[in-house]
Amino acid sequence: DGGITQSPKYLFRKEGQNVTLSCEQNLNHDAMYWYRQDPGQGLRLIYYSQIVNDFQKGDIAEGYSVSREKKESFPLTVTSAQKNPTAFYLCASGQYEQYFGPGTRLTVT
Amino acid sequence: GQQVMQIPQYQHVQEGEDFTTYCNSSTTLSNIQWYKQRPGGHPVFLIQLVKSGEVKKQKRLTFQFGEAKKNSSLHITATQTTDVGTYFCAKVTGGGNKLTFGTGTQLKVEL
Repeated sequence: DGGITQSPKYLFRKEGQNVTLSCEQNLNHDAMYWYRQDPGQGLRLIYYSQIVNDFQKGDIAEGYSVSREKKESFPLTVTSAQKNPTAFYLCASGQYEQYFGPGTRLTVT
Repeated sequence: GQQVMQIPQYQHVQEGEDFTTYCNSSTTLSNIQWYKQRPGGHPVFLIQLVKSGEVKKQKRLTFQFGEAKKNSSLHITATQTTDVGTYFCAKVTGGGNKLTFGTGTQLKVEL
C-alpha cells in the first residue's frame, strides 16, 4: 500500500522541549515537504527537500530543523526556539502534485 | 512567499445550490493546482491547470484558468454534503516544485 505516514497523530509536549515529528513515504518521490497549518488558516511551508542530503528553508523555518538522510524519510524537529509550536503539521511528497500524510497535531503547554 | 488570495473565505450553501471559489494572483502563474481538505483531514490533490483559458471538468466540479493566467476558479454544480471541506488553490513558486497555497475557501453544505 503506497503512501505517506506520519506519527504520532497527536503529540503533547511541555514548553522548552524539542520534539521530532516523523514522516515516511514509499512513493519513491525525491521531493518532500513540511507544512504548518493553524486553525482556519492555509498551509505555510516550513522546509522542503528536493533530493536526499539536501533541504531548503521555506517561508517559516525559524525554530524548526530537518534532515534528509534517506529518500523515504524527512523528520521535522520543532525546537524550543519556536515561539508558537502548537499547530497541525503536514508532511507531503511529490514532484508536481503533492501527496499529503494524515498530519500530526502538536500541542505545547 | 506571497500567498495567493482566495475569495470567499467562507461559504454556506443549501444542498443543491452551486458554489464557486476564486483564486487571484498579482503575478502571472505558470500553473495552478487545486486541493480539497475535508474537516479534520489532510489536503488531497484535485487537478492542475497549465494553459491559458483552460477548462477542466471532474463530474460536478469545473476548474478554469484565466486567459491572463492570473486567476482561477473552481465551480461546483448542485452541491452535496460530501463537498464539505476547504478548497485551496496553490501556485508554483521559486524553482522546481515548491508550492504556495492560497488562503482557502471553507464550504459548508446544509440539508
